[in-house]
Amino acid sequence: NAGVTQTPKFQVLKTGQSMTLQCAQDMNHNSMYWYRQDPGMGLRLIYYSASEGTTDKGEVPNGYNVSRLNKREFSLRLESAAPSQTSVYFCASSEVRADPYEQYFGPGTRLTVT
Amino acid sequence: AQSVTQPDIHITVSEGASLELRCNYSYGATPYLFWYVQSPGQGLQLLLKYFSGDTLVQGIKGFEAEFKRSQSSFNLRKPSVHWSDAAEYFCAAPGTGRRALTFGSGTRLQVQP
Repeated sequence: NAGVTQTPKFQVLKTGQSMTLQCAQDMNHNSMYWYRQDPGMGLRLIYYSASEGTTDKGEVPNGYNVSRLNKREFSLRLESAAPSQTSVYFCASSEVRADPYEQYFGPGTRLTVT
Repeated sequence: AQSVTQPDIHITVSEGASLELRCNYSYGATPYLFWYVQSPGQGLQLLLKYFSGDTLVQGIKGFEAEFKRSQSSFNLRKPSVHWSDAAEYFCAAPGTGRRALTFGSGTRLQVQP
């Protein structure tokens, strides 16, 4: 039981390049989330998916797209990376019917955009 | 909208000393509240949570937190800090309408030998 896994762990992009961050969970959770973490700002929600087939914007969605591929996987795509997207990205999942807000986090992806 | 505030950006304590990390929230009804810990280079791990009932909540690694409605606070405590407790600590509460969490800005704990 791996919990929440994320790939890659580290990535360096040039401005304008695109990439997809992958996230998978093996806990059979319905809900999944993408956060970004910046110094002094805690974690901010980018997008979330309440269940397979649904996605919704969070606090800071601009410049990102997401895909809930199936119940296990939730990917985050940067179509044209900008230096302002340099951050650490965390994926999380939860089972809202069991425990409304308890979330389980992946280890993070550290992204640098030059 | 809800908010969570952690007034202390950085705290240094000596190993074996007691610890209290502050968290203040703004929320109309009885809140759900969480404390997470993030060790260097790692993801976030849940330390403890408060939903209702007993206002003193016990968590993992010897941590506890007390919910005080009158002070809108949910402070994290530990009687005796170990060097391995050096990490960043986040208080969190539910966001609005999405069952996601809103996080405080974090408190970085440094432990001196």
